Amino acid sequence: AQSVAQPEDQVNVAEGNPLTVKCTYSVSGNPYLFWYVQYPNRGLQFLLKYITGDNLVKGSYGFEAEFNKSQTSFHLKKPSALVSDSALYFCAVRDMWGGADGLTFGKGTHLIIQP
Amino acid sequence: SQTIHQWPATLVQPVGSPLSLECTVEGTSNPNLYWYRQAAGRGLQLLFYSVGIGQISSEVPQNLSASRPQDRQFILSSKKLLLSDSGFYLCAWSMGQGHEQFFGPGTRLTVL
Repeated sequence: AQSVAQPEDQVNVAEGNPLTVKCTYSVSGNPYLFWYVQYPNRGLQFLLKYITGDNLVKGSYGFEAEFNKSQTSFHLKKPSALVSDSALYFCAVRDMWGGADGLTFGKGTHLIIQP
Repeated sequence: SQTIHQWPATLVQPVGSPLSLECTVEGTSNPNLYWYRQAAGRGLQLLFYSVGIGQISSEVPQNLSASRPQDRQFILSSKKLLLSDSGFYLCAWSMGQGHEQFFGPGTRLTVL
């Protein structure tokens, strides 16, 4: 079975400061890992993914994420937050070797960037 | 470029009524297709996925069913809606296993 944990329901960051949204995962094999962002009453937008290779993955809108196998984490980061980054962020995982083809999502983290 | 459409955008239905939500994808062929439900703005739950026409896998036993009558069309149905079927329904597509999924705009269903 695969699972994702996003330990923070909400993260508050001042505009211009660095931000981190945490994600840890559990899979039986090697993971495919994803981050998505959702604005109110909208579908999810893909930000970035980790499949293999460099542990630091760069994605859309200046976001990046660091894969840490020993800590089973895939935290989302951005060096300088914008007010427009305020949204709901989801981490997702798929087990490379089995299970349904669909993704398992965390419960989401509300990111609030204060001007 | 690829686009994914869902309709209707919003729907209010009485308990016991039927349901049909439609999802179509443009600009790609033989996509994997998915239906998710999101309750209260959080936590997406995979309902169904399809790797080809007529091929449907169900992840959660429930009051809903899915069909894929054409390569780029995915339909979510119910014969009799329950109050618990209320939620935000999202369709998604991908190029295959392990690839990122791209989501449609969603349908907000309210069952009264």
